[in-house]
Amino acid sequence: DGGITQSPKYLFRKEGQNVTLSCEQNLNHDAMYWYRQDPGQGLRLIYYSQIVNDFQKGDIAEGYSVSREKKESFPLTVTSAQKNPTAFYLCASSTLTPGGYGYTFGSGTRLTVV
Amino acid sequence: AQSVAQPEDQVNVAEGNPLTVKCTYSVSGNPYLFWYVQYPNRGLQFLLKYITGDNLVKGSYGFEAEFNKSQTSFHLKKPSALVSDSALYFCAVRDAGNTPLVFGKGTRLSVIA
Repeated sequence: DGGITQSPKYLFRKEGQNVTLSCEQNLNHDAMYWYRQDPGQGLRLIYYSQIVNDFQKGDIAEGYSVSREKKESFPLTVTSAQKNPTAFYLCASSTLTPGGYGYTFGSGTRLTVV
Repeated sequence: AQSVAQPEDQVNVAEGNPLTVKCTYSVSGNPYLFWYVQYPNRGLQFLLKYITGDNLVKGSYGFEAEFNKSQTSFHLKKPSALVSDSALYFCAVRDAGNTPLVFGKGTRLSVIA
């Protein structure tokens, strides 16, 4: 089945530690996105990429980093500079065809600072 | 810049009654509008979209939405609510380019038996 896979489902981070969230898609989508979800705040864009080896900052990129070395993969690193990383992280992908079906989302990773 | 407003944090409706979840938007040019649904601890699932054409859009699970350009609204509707419709609903918008979707803050729908 085609889809988008996020791992792990749950992740615990100690203070001062970097952690990496995985996102893989086999939909042959050109674009991939990372959103952060906090209660009552909806989804906020962290980073997105529309082509391999290129990515753009979203609204809340500080304290995060990404890479796009392969079309299928778009990992997100939450660095120690992110002061409040506890949240639900959603990865999505899409075609770049106008009028497409919007985004396909992964099942999310819940990150908790311990 | 694009923006989306979902004015209600919570909507409660009795099973079998019609439901409406409101959404207004702001975008330069023609909007591309979407509704998604999220169940607990899951990703978002696509419900329906408006790109062009008929103002009434039909989507998954019996949902529909009406695009109103003059009121810049895209309200989600269903004629008869089910308990299983209880979830978090997000409206999203982007312009005609390839800019990322901008999401509203979400509306929690509770359907009571």
